[in-house]
Amino acid sequence: AQKITQTQPGMFVQEKEAVTLDCTYDTSDQSYGLFWYKQPSSGEMIFLIYQGSYDEQNATEGRYSLNFQKARKSANLVISASQLGDSAMYFCAMRELSQGAQKLVFGQGTRLTINP
Amino acid sequence: DTGVSQNPRHKITKRGQNVTFRCDPISEHNRLYWYRQTLGQGPEFLTYFQNEAQLEKSRLLSDRFSAERPKGSFSTLEIQRTEQGDSAMYLCASSLGGFTEAFFGQGTRLTVV
Repeated sequence: AQKITQTQPGMFVQEKEAVTLDCTYDTSDQSYGLFWYKQPSSGEMIFLIYQGSYDEQNATEGRYSLNFQKARKSANLVISASQLGDSAMYFCAMRELSQGAQKLVFGQGTRLTINP
Repeated sequence: DTGVSQNPRHKITKRGQNVTFRCDPISEHNRLYWYRQTLGQGPEFLTYFQNEAQLEKSRLLSDRFSAERPKGSFSTLEIQRTEQGDSAMYLCASSLGGFTEAFFGQGTRLTVV
């Protein structure tokens, strides 16, 4: 069964510093996708970045990059030059692709607080 | 159309009452998903539609829950005989195709008193 583990319940970072949010996953499938979402206090889940299991290069989207280490089954999110607006909950999620599965399986999230 | 829209944003109901939530996906998206999120947890999958067909349901979706997507556009999620354990955020998401990111609405927060 799919499982996502986020071991950091909370992170506190100074503004402008880089921050890494940890995510490990467990799957027996060879074909899967990994996602990161941001959830501010308003409740909406905002898509940040996607990494496919067959993608050889780490995904990047602006200040977000995904440190994908397939052998270790980890997909850490790196936010460079953090901003006050980055304060939110962050969720790692996975979808297994080969069996046509549609659901996303989420981790428990990490609450990131950026201090001025 | 700027995103997924959910109504109402908040709902307070007495135990035993029925409630219905609505989700309007991004217009060209053929896939629609419902998730439930309790306090301090990540979202959990409830059900999924491809066009008007409900193709997958979680074991979390008890027989008190029913979801529809009558014309492959908006969807409704109904909870009958609500219980306090139903208190949660109900999130709707849509996607174009199965291998792309899902876009979420702002959710409906249900409180059962």
